[in-house]
Amino acid sequence: GAVVSQHPSWVICKSGTSVKIECRSLDFQATTMFWYRQFPKQSLMLMATSNEGSKATYEQGVEKDKFLINHASLTLSTLTVTSAHPEDSSFYICSARDARSGPDTQYFGPGTRLTVL
Amino acid sequence: GQQLNQSPQSMFIQEGEDVSMNCTSSSIFNTWLWYKQEPGEGPVLLIALYKAGELTSNGRLTAQFGITRKDSFLNISASIPSDVGIYFCAGPPRSSRGKLIFGQGTTLQVKP
Repeated sequence: GAVVSQHPSWVICKSGTSVKIECRSLDFQATTMFWYRQFPKQSLMLMATSNEGSKATYEQGVEKDKFLINHASLTLSTLTVTSAHPEDSSFYICSARDARSGPDTQYFGPGTRLTVL
Repeated sequence: GQQLNQSPQSMFIQEGEDVSMNCTSSSIFNTWLWYKQEPGEGPVLLIALYKAGELTSNGRLTAQFGITRKDSFLNISASIPSDVGIYFCAGPPRSSRGKLIFGQGTTLQVKP
C-alpha cells in the first residue's frame, strides 16, 4: 500500500516553456500532498503544500506564480513550472500523507528530473 | 527554525559490517522518520517512530526514538551492496504540523 506515482519521470524543455508534473496516490486518498525540490547532493527542500479543494500554501521564497499547484482530486496533484529557465532545472519530488499510517508519515513519488535548455 | 543534524555525512564500509548513523536536534520532535534514497529515485520510507524510547526493526534495520525526543538512531546489520544510498532522517517541525524537515543525509557506500 501507500504507493505514489509521478509523471513524467524526466522532461527536457526549452527555456520559456511551461512544464506540468503529475503526482498521484495510487491506492489511497490524499487530502494533502507536498512538493519538494532537490539539487544534486543536497537534501529535500519543501516547496509547497497542496490541499485538495483549496489553494496551495507555499514556503518562503517560492514564487507561487512560477510554480502553479492544483490539487483537483483526492488522488491527483499537479505542479506546473511556468516559463521555465535553466535555473529551474532540478529533481522535483512529490509526497502524500496516508491517513491509514501514523501521523506525519509521508510517502514519496519516484521524482521528476527537469532539464531546461 | 528547527534543524536536523545527521552524522556521519558519509560512510564507506565493507560488506558484512554493521552501520550506525544518527540524527539530532536542539528541539523536540514527536515523530522520527527514516528514509532511504537511491540515485534518481524518490525517498522510500524505512521506519517510522512515534513514541519516545521506541525501538523498531525492519529486517536488518533497527531505529530508535531517543528518550529526550531530540535524537534518533538507525542501525543496519550485516550490510550488503544493495544498502548503498543516502539515508535521511525527517520529522515534523513544531511550528508547522504536517510538514517534514529533513536532515542533510548520510551517504552509505558498501564495498563488496
